[in-house]
Amino acid sequence: AQKVTQAQTEISVVEKEDVTLDCVYETRDTTYYLFWYKQPPSGELVFLIRRNSFDEQNEISGRYSWNFQKSTSSFNFTITASQVVDSAVYFCALSVGGGNQFYFGTGTSLTVIP
Amino acid sequence: GAGVSQSPSNKVTEKGKDVELRCDPISGHTALYWYRQSLGQGLEFLIYFQGNSAPDKSGLPSDRFSAERTGGSVSTLTIQRTQQEDSAVYLCASSLARAGTVIVGEQYFGPGTRLTVT
Repeated sequence: AQKVTQAQTEISVVEKEDVTLDCVYETRDTTYYLFWYKQPPSGELVFLIRRNSFDEQNEISGRYSWNFQKSTSSFNFTITASQVVDSAVYFCALSVGGGNQFYFGTGTSLTVIP
Repeated sequence: GAGVSQSPSNKVTEKGKDVELRCDPISGHTALYWYRQSLGQGLEFLIYFQGNSAPDKSGLPSDRFSAERTGGSVSTLTIQRTQQEDSAVYLCASSLARAGTVIVGEQYFGPGTRLTVT
């Protein structure tokens, strides 16, 4: 069975602080994809990143970085120097095999306080 | 280009009535997904369409829920005899993902339809 766990329900940080959002996944498939999505207060989910199971290189995009570790089945997301505009609910998701289904975590609500 | 659109944006209905929710995916996207998001919850997969293949209906919670996709484009999610527990935001997403391959594209989400059953 596939499962994504985002243990942090809510996080609050002060602007300019760094914050890491945790994501732990479960699957027995050797081929899978991991995703992060952002859902701002406006409600529309926005794609942030996709990572396949064969590529464990960490990725950095501006203030965002992702740490993929197969040994711990984790795909954590770090925001450096957080800004108020980063306030949103962030979802981690898993897709396996042919990609018919995406398994989403329950999301982490991030509030950045000015 | 145009993103995924959904209509209506809000729908209030009485318990027992049928509702239809519409999704217009991004042109050219072969895959279309429906999800349900209840307040404070994650996304619950409902159904998946891929091209002309039979849809994956494994996520539909009951036989009151059905969906169709006409011409490989527009999709309609129908909920019959609505119940209060059906109240949620219904999200549609489209993707270039192709079943049976290892290439899984990211999903592009619509703004959702907020359904309230009174």
